[in-house]
Amino acid sequence: QVQLVESGGGVVQPGTSLRLSCAASGFKFSNYGMHWVRQAPGKGLEWVAVIWYDGSNKYYADSVKGRFTISRDNSKNTLYLQMNSLRAEDTAVYYCVRVTGSYYNMDVWGQGTTVAVSS
Amino acid sequence: QSALTQPASVSGSPGQSITISCTGTSSDVGGYNYVSWYQQHPGKAPKLMIYEVSNRPSGVSNRFSGSKSGNTASLTISGLQAEDEADYYCSSYTTSSPRVFGTGTKVTVL
Repeated sequence: QVQLVESGGGVVQPGTSLRLSCAASGFKFSNYGMHWVRQAPGKGLEWVAVIWYDGSNKYYADSVKGRFTISRDNSKNTLYLQMNSLRAEDTAVYYCVRVTGSYYNMDVWGQGTTVAVSS
Repeated sequence: QSALTQPASVSGSPGQSITISCTGTSSDVGGYNYVSWYQQHPGKAPKLMIYEVSNRPSGVSNRFSGSKSGNTASLTISGLQAEDEADYYCSSYTTSSPRVFGTGTKVTVL
């Protein structure tokens, strides 16, 4: 079945870096764009970044632009999020989400990985 | 890009119908038929319920329906059931960002 499994979360200090991974299975990963979406504790969903199926285009939310980098390795069926200069406000559950259809709609979600930025 | 506006909470009794609104602008909800709705139970990942304003993915109950008028999209849940108690989020394509989410609505089944 279609599955997305995130990993790499943890507790880190402000100003440090972390890389999240998302392993995809059950579908042809290289045919789909992918998003990262986050949810701070007790808060709503926030779109973070999207990458095209071939990695040729990437877009970011203003809140992470210049600090986060989305990338993918289609040979490994894996999506990444490199997070630098982490801030307390980046504390959240991070979900990877598959793009479907037009205009960046989202269908399949992973279970999420938790990032906590604290001194 | 500002979040789309949803009511913080909506409630209803079992069997009733409820409607959740999602208000944006002509740059997002009003300008494109690319509004989707997600259901999220506590501690779980969101689940796609409606896409492109009114389309239901395979496996989603036909008690869920979507519509749009002007800059406001709506999700209607008919025949409300206990299992529908969850948070619901709308999302839209926008001219300035691939996606924006709504503020979220907590649905309570009385």
